[in-house]
Amino acid sequence: KQEVTQIPAALSVPEGENLVLNCSFTDSAIYNLQWFRQDPGKGLTSLLLIQSSQREQTSGRLNASLDKSSGRSTLYIAASQPGDSATYLCAVRPVGNQGGKLIFGQGTELSVKP
Amino acid sequence: ETGVTQTPRHLVMGMTNKKSLKCEQHLGHNAMYWYKQSAKKPLELMFVYSLEERVENNSVPSRFSPECPNSSHLFLHLHTLQPEDSALYLCASRGRGGEKLFFGSGTQLSVL
Repeated sequence: KQEVTQIPAALSVPEGENLVLNCSFTDSAIYNLQWFRQDPGKGLTSLLLIQSSQREQTSGRLNASLDKSSGRSTLYIAASQPGDSATYLCAVRPVGNQGGKLIFGQGTELSVKP
Repeated sequence: ETGVTQTPRHLVMGMTNKKSLKCEQHLGHNAMYWYKQSAKKPLELMFVYSLEERVENNSVPSRFSPECPNSSHLFLHLHTLQPEDSALYLCASRGRGGEKLFFGSGTQLSVL
């Protein structure tokens, strides 16, 4: 059974710091991995999607890497800003699932202090 | 705005009530999902509809009843819920061949 774990559960950093969020998964048979952002009481916004054949994806100050064989992904946020404060979720899409369902981690709650 | 709209945003109901959650997308997507997000727990997939057919029911109690009348609309009918069903219910959609899920803002449900 696929399980996704995110460490740390919560993180507080001063503005301007570079930071790394971690995601691990137990079964390397995945189609892709996605990172989402969730603001309090809101839905999820997709940030980056990495296909299983890819090693990383970049969007602005965000860079996500994937090491499928070791079951790990990282989300790197450069020059953090207070507006980056949110919960960050990673999710994998297992191979062999017709419905395209995602298995989510519990998230990392990020607080960036001005 | 993600193009996926959920109503109502907030709902308080008693255990004997019947209510429905609504999800609407005008993105031309052909797959729609219901997820449950409880406090301090990962999102749990409840139902998946593809081309208006239910393709997955993730062992959800029968007090939750989904309906997908067309590819743009998805409902979750609720009856005789329990307090532990209180959670944020999220709807998502995905296009044919697409990889990303687009989520609505959710319905925050409280069962008293």
